[in-house]
Amino acid sequence: NAGVTQTPKFQVLKTGQSMTLQCAQDMNHNSMYWYRQDPGMGLRLIYYSASEGTTDKGEVPNGYNVSRLNKREFSLRLESAAPSQTSVYFCASIGRGSEQPQHFGDGTRLSIL
Amino acid sequence: AQSVAQPEDQVNVAEGNPLTVKCTYSVSGNPYLFWYVQYPNRGLQFLLKYITGDNLVKGSYGFEAEFNKSQTSFHLKKPSALVSDSALYFCAVRAYSGTYKYIFGTGTRLKVLA
Repeated sequence: NAGVTQTPKFQVLKTGQSMTLQCAQDMNHNSMYWYRQDPGMGLRLIYYSASEGTTDKGEVPNGYNVSRLNKREFSLRLESAAPSQTSVYFCASIGRGSEQPQHFGDGTRLSIL
Repeated sequence: AQSVAQPEDQVNVAEGNPLTVKCTYSVSGNPYLFWYVQYPNRGLQFLLKYITGDNLVKGSYGFEAEFNKSQTSFHLKKPSALVSDSALYFCAVRAYSGTYKYIFGTGTRLKVLA
């Protein structure tokens, strides 16, 4: 019963390095989301994908890119990491139906030095 | 602007006492409201939701929430707190601006003292 799986769980990068965070869900959900969680700021939406083949910017998209590889997978890429991107990143998915709750992965803890 | 506010960063309550975690919202149209709980080093887990109907909603682990339209509030409650309820709680509202998105509050840390 995997749900939403995120890899890696932890990562340390140097400023300027690039990295892709992976997310996969096995619930046949249409919509997927990437959030970042920072102390005192709750969850902020980076990008989302309402369905396979579509992606849109959220509240804080600068410095990130995404790919909806197929219905299962939604990746987040940092092209040139900056210390301000140190955060915990969560992927979420949601099934069909506007009243459904989101299902979250356990997060990727990313530190940029 | 559509928003969610959790006015308390932390709530402390003694084990066995009732607990309340507050949430107010601002959204156009009928609100879809959610509560999630986050334990250390884990993702958010769904607790309960209000879509329509009875203003008192029951959810997982003995939690319930009361929807109050006039006060635009959706407070999370539990009659008798457990030490194991200690966690970070998030209120969220579904908002529509071309597509559905979910706006989260800043979170309230609940500490249940033995």
